[in-house]
Amino acid sequence: EAQVTQNPRYLITVTGKKLTVTCSQNMNHEYMSWYRQDPGLGLRQIYYSMNVEVTDKGDVPEGYKVSRKEKRNFPLILESPSPNQTSLYFCASSFYRDYGYTFGSGTRLTVV
Amino acid sequence: ELKVEQNPLFLSMQEGKNYTIYCNYSTTSDRLYWYRQDPGKSLESLFVLLSNGAVKQEGRLMASLDTKARLSTLHITAAVHDLSATYFCAVETSGSRLTFGEGTQLTVNP
Repeated sequence: EAQVTQNPRYLITVTGKKLTVTCSQNMNHEYMSWYRQDPGLGLRQIYYSMNVEVTDKGDVPEGYKVSRKEKRNFPLILESPSPNQTSLYFCASSFYRDYGYTFGSGTRLTVV
Repeated sequence: ELKVEQNPLFLSMQEGKNYTIYCNYSTTSDRLYWYRQDPGKSLESLFVLLSNGAVKQEGRLMASLDTKARLSTLHITAAVHDLSATYFCAVETSGSRLTFGEGTQLTVNP
């Protein structure tokens, strides 16, 4: 089944403890991106990637890192999470932007 | 900075009625997307609009794009309860830079 898989689905962690949220797609998509969704603020793009080894900042990149070493994977790294990074995170991918993006199921992160 | 504004943000309508959701954006765009999100779920792609005058229809939903006015509309015809969800427009600019509107929470009442 064609899909974007995020792990974990739920995560509670403590301030300052490094974590990685994984994102993998099995559709050979070129484009991948990360978003956070917060009540009243909608979805905001964190980082995006147009190909392997090509990444760029979205609207809210502070406090996050990404890497794109292989086409199928696009992990989101929080080196030192803080409570203001508590949010619902979505990964998305697209073969070609004219076809729209496929979103993962989301990762609900709580930082205490 | 690109701004994307949707209105209304909340919409309660009766089954069988028609209504339009508006999406205004502040700068030139490569393409515009509409997505649907059910409570507690992920986003589902509805439409991709690529050029001025583009119109796409799927079932009771029809989306259009006017790039000169920087306006997209999502028209709902003869609403049914199953259409209750939050609808987002998203505007793409250079590269793969995507900016979402705040979302329109639609409730269709029997």
